[in-house]
Amino acid sequence: DADVTQTPRNRITKTGKRIMLECSQTKGHDRMYWYRQDPGLGLRLIYYSFDVKDINKGEISDGYSVSRQAQAKFSLSLESAIPNQTALYFCATSDFDKGTGLEGYTFGSGTRLTVV
Amino acid sequence: DQQVKQNSPSLSVQEGRISILNCDYTNSMFDYFLWYKKYPAEGPTFLISISSIKDKNEDGRFTVFLNKSAKHLSLHIVPSQPGDSAVYFCAASAYQGGKLIFGQGTELSVKP
Repeated sequence: DADVTQTPRNRITKTGKRIMLECSQTKGHDRMYWYRQDPGLGLRLIYYSFDVKDINKGEISDGYSVSRQAQAKFSLSLESAIPNQTALYFCATSDFDKGTGLEGYTFGSGTRLTVV
Repeated sequence: DQQVKQNSPSLSVQEGRISILNCDYTNSMFDYFLWYKKYPAEGPTFLISISSIKDKNEDGRFTVFLNKSAKHLSLHIVPSQPGDSAVYFCAASAYQGGKLIFGQGTELSVKP
């Protein structure tokens, strides 16, 4: 099984619909993130969570919400999907290495979302 | 405002030659820099990193150079191989354990 699993892998939805993207991890990491990838814009941070009780907005949180149900689960919701939310969405987890001061991210394989 | 910039969307090199991917940043608080590699239909994977106390870090064919005064870093791949063809993302963090800010990515194509 993958360390970071995203479901679904692909989804087509209609404008105005509510949709949830799910992420689960077996890394045992406290930190989890949601990014979206758009051509020419790279990876942009939507929301992140440093532990179960911690939720923080990223660069582009408008139109999105998240829920950290457990250490291993972090879901992203689009309450009312719009076409410009069509993108590739990535979940990531991380663990801070106190020795090196560097933080290694492990990414899921992504969810391709199309809003029509 | 794009704090981490990769101004070249694509790069094509011949197998065996050097690939140089560039990244610029604007936030002087960034202290840690990483490169990620992404193949189609997969998530990005960590490649190499460097902290601001160094100006060079090497791992096999991959070397990252950091020029703090110019707020510039580069990734050198020598020799380039067709399997290196992927999108490369530069990322930066403002402090130990801080969240990563990514650049736009550069698509590298290594021709046989």
